[in-house]
Amino acid sequence: AQSVTQPDIHITVSEGASLELRCNYSYGATPYLFWYVQSPGQGLQLLLKYFSGDTLVQGIKGFEAEFKRSQSSFNLRKPSVHWSDAAEYFCAVGGVNNNDMRFGAGTRLTVKP
Amino acid sequence: GAVVSQHPSWVICKSGTSVKIECRSLDFQATTMFWYRQFPKQSLMLMATSNEGSKATYEQGVEKDKFLINHASLTLSTLTVTSAHPEDSSFYICSARPAGGPLETQYFGPGTRLLVL
Repeated sequence: AQSVTQPDIHITVSEGASLELRCNYSYGATPYLFWYVQSPGQGLQLLLKYFSGDTLVQGIKGFEAEFKRSQSSFNLRKPSVHWSDAAEYFCAVGGVNNNDMRFGAGTRLTVKP
Repeated sequence: GAVVSQHPSWVICKSGTSVKIECRSLDFQATTMFWYRQFPKQSLMLMATSNEGSKATYEQGVEKDKFLINHASLTLSTLTVTSAHPEDSSFYICSARPAGGPLETQYFGPGTRLLVL
């Protein structure tokens, strides 16, 4: 069965610093991988997704993620964090029809001034 | 962009009563809608998948008689928590897949917080 692990429950970074959020997955076939951001009072917003091809994926808001099959990882990165990036971030894995999408527990990002 | 709304955004009810939560796709038609449940500081757990005009498919461990799902139109799905109890208190999130769109695409609603007293 597929699963997603986000090892970090809470991360605090200073504004302007770089960010990396970790995600490890378990999936029997080629996974579809996603990163979502959840802000209070708003729905989950898709940051980026990986299906195939280039393992470095660019997303919205300056985020990128790299798929590493050998490590079963799909870490999210941003070179310079803005205060507005403070939110909850979820990694998810799914199959081709996503009826079986599974989410990680989430990582809460706090940005210090 | 595609917008999904949920109503109400929060609800408090007495134990034993039923609560209905609506999920609407505002600017697109959704053949499939998903209902998730999120506990504090935990992940989203898929409860059920509903296709317009047919019965919902429930995940293992989810009581179909307690969580009634209706997907009567291409823009509306409802989740009714029947005879709610305090352990049903949670954050309920829906998502919608656009008709004819990529299978991997889901747009999420803002969620409904349910508190059962």
